[in-house]
Amino acid sequence: SAVISQKPSRDICQRGTSLTIQCQVDSQVTMMFWYRQQPGQSLTLIATANQGSEATYESGFVIDKFPISRPNLTFSTLTVSNMSPEDSSIYLCSVTTGSGETQYFGPGTRLLVL
Amino acid sequence: AQSVTQPDIHITVSEGASLELRCNYSYGATPYLFWYVQSPGQGLQLLLKYFSGDTLVQGIKGFEAEFKRSQSSFNLRKPSVHWSDAAEYFCAVEGGGSTLGRLYFGRGTQLTVWP
Repeated sequence: SAVISQKPSRDICQRGTSLTIQCQVDSQVTMMFWYRQQPGQSLTLIATANQGSEATYESGFVIDKFPISRPNLTFSTLTVSNMSPEDSSIYLCSVTTGSGETQYFGPGTRLLVL
Repeated sequence: AQSVTQPDIHITVSEGASLELRCNYSYGATPYLFWYVQSPGQGLQLLLKYFSGDTLVQGIKGFEAEFKRSQSSFNLRKPSVHWSDAAEYFCAVEGGGSTLGRLYFGRGTQLTVWP
């Protein structure tokens, strides 16, 4: 498994601003992902963070709104841009190790947009 | 496309009672199947997984799940529930191959445990 940390753990932001969430892993991992969990909902995959290249976004998510970086094998950031109250969610980073079948999740970042 | 159905939004059981949480999936081949648990204010913790082989898999905290191909199901069970098991439980499927790493989650089942 892997130990995953996220910063910040929670934040309250004003609409129209942007927030960058960091995900740090204690070891090199195969793949990194970002998920969104809206209040009372399940998890939805936002994108796969690819090292050294543009992230791969799922349907309904775009780079302008959710720019992602992954400069190395242990770190990634997700930015939530031009926020609105509808962006209030938990954002979770996840990783796979080894052959990539099992995914481990970070503790999440709880975002409230006013 | 893969999809996961958890038909029970909320289940309440008494402490010490047995538990079964239902999960059905839709996928063309045999997927990779997972159960995760999310305690209040926490991230997701992996309970168990099924890739292949023995269809009854054991997980942490005394949980087990059984893969039934004929029913496209992967139900989670525990013979005796503890108060600390109160949490939200998510079933997830991953297709493997070109979709390796992409997890598709059910909507979750909230478990309440009465003392």
